[in-house]
Amino acid sequence: SQQGEEDPQALSIQEGENATMNCSYKTSINNLQWYRQNSGRGLVHLILIRSNEREKHSGRLRVTLDTSKKSSSLLITASRAADTASYFCATDQIYNQGGKLIFGQGTELSVKP
Amino acid sequence: EPEVTQTPSHQVTQMGQEVILRCVPISNHLYFYWYRQILGQKVEFLVSFYNNEISEKSEIFDDQFSVERPDGSNFTLKIRSTKLEDSAMYFCASRPPRATQYFGPGTRLTVL
Repeated sequence: SQQGEEDPQALSIQEGENATMNCSYKTSINNLQWYRQNSGRGLVHLILIRSNEREKHSGRLRVTLDTSKKSSSLLITASRAADTASYFCATDQIYNQGGKLIFGQGTELSVKP
Repeated sequence: EPEVTQTPSHQVTQMGQEVILRCVPISNHLYFYWYRQILGQKVEFLVSFYNNEISEKSEIFDDQFSVERPDGSNFTLKIRSTKLEDSAMYFCASRPPRATQYFGPGTRLTVL
């Protein structure tokens, strides 16, 4: 089954606005993580939320997790041009002995100055 | 702060050639991974490695692929006979027990 589907696929906003990205998944998870990737570069870990947590904050980032709906959202407040990047959710599935991550398709965020 | 490193940053090869992608995980990490990302697509799991053996591999990781931890510090991914469709960014990751994965900067593999 496919895990970690994000929407929207692309999001364009003005600097200062908030950006919300959503992620849905199909199987039960241990945790869900969000990563950022600047064009053609590596993956930067942003935040991890465990299956028993509902909300987590880190600076301008706010992540929510609804395990009953199998969905998560990433909110970036007061966005900056430097936030322009692709954002991926990744799930660590329950019963996953090896700890692999299953990534979604990603949301391409463009923040215009 | 410790980092996962990968070499080379960009590898160009001819179809049918063997390539070895190298990774140096963070020194006290025990779990190692390779992922790949075809241009414009999502990151896909290839293989996980623990205690000197493969713990899980995906359908992508066929007989053309192999991994090795030859000397206790490096972690390599070998593709025996590259195909055009192997062109992608390859990411190495490592983690300690019960913690998140740390990704390297990636190796861009171009198969001509």
